[in-house]
Amino acid sequence: SQELEQSPQSLIVQEGKNLTINCTSSKTLYGLYWYKQKYGEGLIFLMMLQKGGEEKSHEKITAKLDEKKQQSSLHITASQPSHAGIYLCGADIVWGFDKGAGNMLTFGGGTRLMVKP
Amino acid sequence: DAGITQSPRYKITETGRQVTLMCHQTWSHSYMFWYRQDLGHGLRLIYYSAAADITDKGEVPDGYVVSRSKTENFPLTLESATRSQTSVYFCASSSGQGGPDTQYFGPGTRLTVL
Repeated sequence: SQELEQSPQSLIVQEGKNLTINCTSSKTLYGLYWYKQKYGEGLIFLMMLQKGGEEKSHEKITAKLDEKKQQSSLHITASQPSHAGIYLCGADIVWGFDKGAGNMLTFGGGTRLMVKP
Repeated sequence: DAGITQSPRYKITETGRQVTLMCHQTWSHSYMFWYRQDLGHGLRLIYYSAAADITDKGEVPDGYVVSRSKTENFPLTLESATRSQTSVYFCASSSGQGGPDTQYFGPGTRLTVL
């Protein structure tokens, strides 16, 4: 989606290295979701961020939503081969959850991560 | 707990044929969604449903029909399949209880139209 840009589009890192994936919007992000997709499989929910400045962590993955709520980053510490896959950000950038329209999400194009052993 | 399932997982059909992709969720979620995933386009919303008998178009609805007679099922029908509909289709659901609401995805159906 042009409304939600992810960078980089692909990334190859050596096992043990840290990495960051960015998700940028030109509009306010009312809710920002990070998903991981293993090749040929469905999307697995990782984390949801709502408030500006919010940061959440799960195991070695940390996601942040900046204060202006227009960019989110996903940081992986000490990457492992199990981290390989496609990371997608999805955001409610049109409706706003408080407008009663459900959570229509727009997705970024995805970041394809490969971790070399 | 089965969660959200899709069938078939793989389907090959010919141009002009009618195809129905099935989606079933066991959470009694109000909202259900159909997306297609294509290289260069990412995930795009086809149709969504806020409740049984309530459906609405998403970003790319042309050539698709949906119905939702029961809360747990949300079938997607391609009435006359075209090669441009070759894609991976994902169904998702969310509780719809208000506020930011996580969507949970099925495993996908890989459809090839020859």
